[in-house]
Amino acid sequence: EPEVTQTPSHQVTQMGQEVILRCVPISNHLYFYWYRQILGQKVEFLVSFYNNEISEKSEIFDDQFSVERPDGSNFTLKIRSTKLEDSAMYFCASSRQPGQGPSSFFGPGTRLTVL
Amino acid sequence: DAKTTQPTSMDCAEGRAANLPCNHSTISGNEYVYWYRQIHSQGPQYIIHGLKNNETNEMASLIITEDRKSSTLILPHATLRDTAVYYCIVRDTSGTYKYIFGTGTRLKVLA
Repeated sequence: EPEVTQTPSHQVTQMGQEVILRCVPISNHLYFYWYRQILGQKVEFLVSFYNNEISEKSEIFDDQFSVERPDGSNFTLKIRSTKLEDSAMYFCASSRQPGQGPSSFFGPGTRLTVL
Repeated sequence: DAKTTQPTSMDCAEGRAANLPCNHSTISGNEYVYWYRQIHSQGPQYIIHGLKNNETNEMASLIITEDRKSSTLILPHATLRDTAVYYCIVRDTSGTYKYIFGTGTRLKVLA
């Protein structure tokens, strides 16, 4: 069964450093998403991406964040200058045509720890 | 904000059916109800979804009331591995169909 994969599973970085989180969505999916979950809190939407551009972003997704689909298979989230409060689980998700009812499938997540 | 309300927590005996309720009184006609679960800090796992008819798959059944203002997820024979946080989500259809997660129901299956 196809699945969303994410690398690395755990990333430790120093405050102020740049990090890139990687995701490989399911191959015939067209919509891509990043969510995050701070420990003990709700899963929060960050950004959606369709047709090679951002289609929606939340207030959390400020200028420090960017997304890219560099090669038609990977989907990346970059945090330019990490802050302590960026420590969280980051989940990538993908879906086919969400308006018709199919679901989004989530990856296992990347745990980001900012020291 | 999430469009759904769920009890904070529930217990269920192993082998018994777990019935998880969800209220979504403001749901509109073209919005689906989705159920996901999250075990520890793993990625949310899709369980089932529906529009207005009851649905069943290998994991669970979904019962949606006729007025669509509430639904119930049924795990027919709960096992210890079903211990998780269960999220009922009405998908946002106004934009990019993102999910807005609430706090979910923490189901504990007891041996």
